Amino acid sequence: AQKITQTQPGMFVQEKEAVTLDCTYDTSDPSYGLFWYKQPSSGEMIFLIYQGSYDQQNATEGRYSLNFQKARKSANLVISASQLGDSAMYFCAMREDLYNAGNMLTFGGGTRLMVKP
Amino acid sequence: ETGVTQSPTHLIKTRGQQVTLRCSSQSGHNTVSWYQQALGQGPQFIFQYYREEENGRGNFPPRFSGLQFPNYSSELNVNALELDDSALYLCASSLANRAGELFFGEGSRLTVL
Repeated sequence: AQKITQTQPGMFVQEKEAVTLDCTYDTSDPSYGLFWYKQPSSGEMIFLIYQGSYDQQNATEGRYSLNFQKARKSANLVISASQLGDSAMYFCAMREDLYNAGNMLTFGGGTRLMVKP
Repeated sequence: ETGVTQSPTHLIKTRGQQVTLRCSSQSGHNTVSWYQQALGQGPQFIFQYYREEENGRGNFPPRFSGLQFPNYSSELNVNALELDDSALYLCASSLANRAGELFFGEGSRLTVL
């Protein structure tokens, strides 16, 4: 079974509107972390936001927020007030066994977001 | 910028050759990991190094090997290159056993002909 599933291969959003990118995950580990990364055409993976499995509140970082629904095993990324520079690939990732597994992240297949002017 | 630098940025090799990719970690980060990203896919974990030893490995054959140096910089070596090894290779650094973000470099794009 896929550990990270991103069901939207591509999405369009109008500039200045909000957009939600979906991510579901599968793990039996009680201690895990969920990440979202942005990858522009340059190739670098840019960290956006992090949610730990024990965090009580949804993570927020500027225009990014993570809608964490633990029972449904979903960790959707919400981008508010989209900008043209947000056009990129977005990857959801998970790290299990949070404090012992080091840097092993499992990534989803990604969603390509295109912002229309 | 993350402070993680990789070289070379692009390279072309032929089947059967060997390649070495290099990564300089962000200052103070003692753990480095490598990922392979095939075109149109998410990155896949190859392995990670901590204190100059490999301490985690994904589903990659032994012809993928690495080194970590005392200054925490790292190398990824791939022997007997195959066409399917064509990919973007990403290096990431962090502090060991710290939950939170990894810092990625911009990657080395390898093409195998």
